[in-house]
Amino acid sequence: QKEVEQNSGPLSVPEGAIASLNCTYSDRGSQSFFWYRQYSGKSPELIMFIYSNGDKEDGRFTAQLNKASQYVSLLIRDSQPSDSATYLCAVRGTNAGKSTFGDGTTLTVKP
Amino acid sequence: DAGVIQSPRHEVTEMGQEVTLRCKPISGHDYLFWYRQTMMRGLELLIYFNNNVPIDDSGMPEDRFSAKMPNASFSTLKIQPSEPRDSAVYFCASSLRSLGDTIYFGEGSWLTVV
Repeated sequence: QKEVEQNSGPLSVPEGAIASLNCTYSDRGSQSFFWYRQYSGKSPELIMFIYSNGDKEDGRFTAQLNKASQYVSLLIRDSQPSDSATYLCAVRGTNAGKSTFGDGTTLTVKP
Repeated sequence: DAGVIQSPRHEVTEMGQEVTLRCKPISGHDYLFWYRQTMMRGLELLIYFNNNVPIDDSGMPEDRFSAKMPNASFSTLKIQPSEPRDSAVYFCASSLRSLGDTIYFGEGSWLTVV
């Protein structure tokens, strides 16, 4: 089992819809959870991080964390074509400083 | 403030040659990471340093790979000898523990070994 698993994708949604991206992790001691966006040919950039159970909202983005289920998700409301990218989930486990990335989910938002 | 700076941005080399990738982390960051990204294997952590000390090199694929961090503002990843299967994008990244471990990536070094 991989340490961090994401929907294999690709995921395609129409413009204006809600995109839902999911991630599960295996280390119950994980403490910090991150969502990165990576455009084709570019480096990953941070969208959001979350540490506590529940929801965290930032503009059109909402991160949801459920530590009991070892599950973290990212919702993108009012999806735009500019949101088309690969989304990487990263988890910092008990090994201080080290974050493990999932394989990513590629999202396409169709106009 | 300058981000993570990597060089070279692109490198094409012949099999068997030595490749050296360089990285300057964000000033003040105490963690430095080397990642490799390929379509087949995704983003893999090769090695990371804390305060210039290597902490975990379990991701280094084999002895042909080595990394150093002689000071807080410079790190190298060396491949010797290089092989075609080493072709990938190599990202250097840094973070600051007290800022919640957000990792900031450089633009990557695109390596092609022919």
